Amino acid sequence: EPEVTQTPSHQVTQMGQEVILRCVPISNHLYFYWYRQILGQKVEFLVSFYNNEISEKSEIFDDQFSVERPDGSNFTLKIRSTKLEDSAMYFCASSEQAGQSTEAFFGQGTRLTVV
Amino acid sequence: AQSVTQLGSHVSVSEGALVLLRCNYSSSVPPYLFWYVQYPNQGLQLLLKYTTGATLVKGINGFEAEFKKSETSFHLTKPSAHMSDAAEYFCAVSRAGGYNKLIFGAGTRLAVHP
Repeated sequence: EPEVTQTPSHQVTQMGQEVILRCVPISNHLYFYWYRQILGQKVEFLVSFYNNEISEKSEIFDDQFSVERPDGSNFTLKIRSTKLEDSAMYFCASSEQAGQSTEAFFGQGTRLTVV
Repeated sequence: AQSVTQLGSHVSVSEGALVLLRCNYSSSVPPYLFWYVQYPNQGLQLLLKYTTGATLVKGINGFEAEFKKSETSFHLTKPSAHMSDAAEYFCAVSRAGGYNKLIFGAGTRLAVHP
């Protein structure tokens, strides 16, 4: 069964360092998303991406964040200068179509710890 | 704005007992509603979704949910809990318009004991 894969599963980084979280969406999907979940809090939308550009982003997704689809298979989230409060589980998702009823498939997540 | 409230961050049931996980939503437009499950060390998996039509929705693993507009609720039920149902469950609403942005509740951790 096709699945979204994320690497690494865990990442520890020092405050101020750049980190790149990687995702391989399902191959025929066209819409890509990043969500995050701070420990003990809700899963929050960060950004959606379609046709090589951001289609929507949340208030959380400030200038420290960027996304990229560097090739035909990967979708990355970069945090330029990590802060302690960036520590969270980051989920990548993809969907075949846009639209409210389309199912988004989620990866297993990357747990980012900023020390 | 849309929001989701899940009542009870932790629910504990006996094996074979009814599972009831509560979800209430707020939306100014007709919502699309989802339940996702997260097993330990795994990603979010869709259990079921309501879009339009029949208000009682059946999902995987014997779960179902009923959309009640008058109560703004979308509670998740399963008649008989199994040990393997122990997981975290998230209710989510899809925002009107735009892409498939999901707004999640805080989650409910279900424990099943023998």
